[in-house]
Amino acid sequence: QQQVKQSPQSLIVQKGGISIINCAYENTAFDYFPWYQQFPGKGPALLIAIRPDVSEKKEGRFTISFNKSAKQFSLHIMDSQPGDSATYFCAATSGGAGTYKYIFGTGTRLKVLA
Amino acid sequence: GAVVSQHPSWVICKSGTSVKIECRSLDFQATTMFWYRQFPKQSLMLMATSNEGSKATYEQGVEKDKFLINHASLTLSTLTVTSAHPEDSSFYICSAAGTVSNQPQHFGDGTRLSIL
Repeated sequence: QQQVKQSPQSLIVQKGGISIINCAYENTAFDYFPWYQQFPGKGPALLIAIRPDVSEKKEGRFTISFNKSAKQFSLHIMDSQPGDSATYFCAATSGGAGTYKYIFGTGTRLKVLA
Repeated sequence: GAVVSQHPSWVICKSGTSVKIECRSLDFQATTMFWYRQFPKQSLMLMATSNEGSKATYEQGVEKDKFLINHASLTLSTLTVTSAHPEDSSFYICSAAGTVSNQPQHFGDGTRLSIL
């Protein structure tokens, strides 16, 4: 019940295309869902996050879509660029944004072709 | 954005050596810090959660005596890998969370530990 399932494991997208990564969870107590971007040899960096009272959140080219009833959320990267090539992790937690441990997905390695 | 500094970024040492990794929150007070381990092409594996002034809470399967965590102030937590062996070689990452409940965790840039 504590798992967060992430798919796909890897993704190849042409420059300018849309990258879509999906996550699903079971624990209805989760109330904060961040997405992190990680480049090789670096720590994860927060991209965007959403709470379950909102169905969509957009920041620049990045959008989170949230389906509370289906217990799913997804990251959309519009106009994907080669610089977006990285590993993306979804996560979920409860009790506040940072206080409690995050449950991470298994990661998606995105490659954007020039 | 919030900055978390981790030091050193890379360390190579001989088997049997103890190694200390520092995690500092540079522009906010971190009441809670987390230590992760990451193997190549895998997700982050939480090792322990530390609250300032309290003993760390370790995840199941993580040896407390092997991985010593100290969170002595609101800006500094340390992870000491005691008597390190080659199987301890990994990428160690810390994250920090502030006192405001709606602020996310911010991660350091990790420490690559290689035990010869």
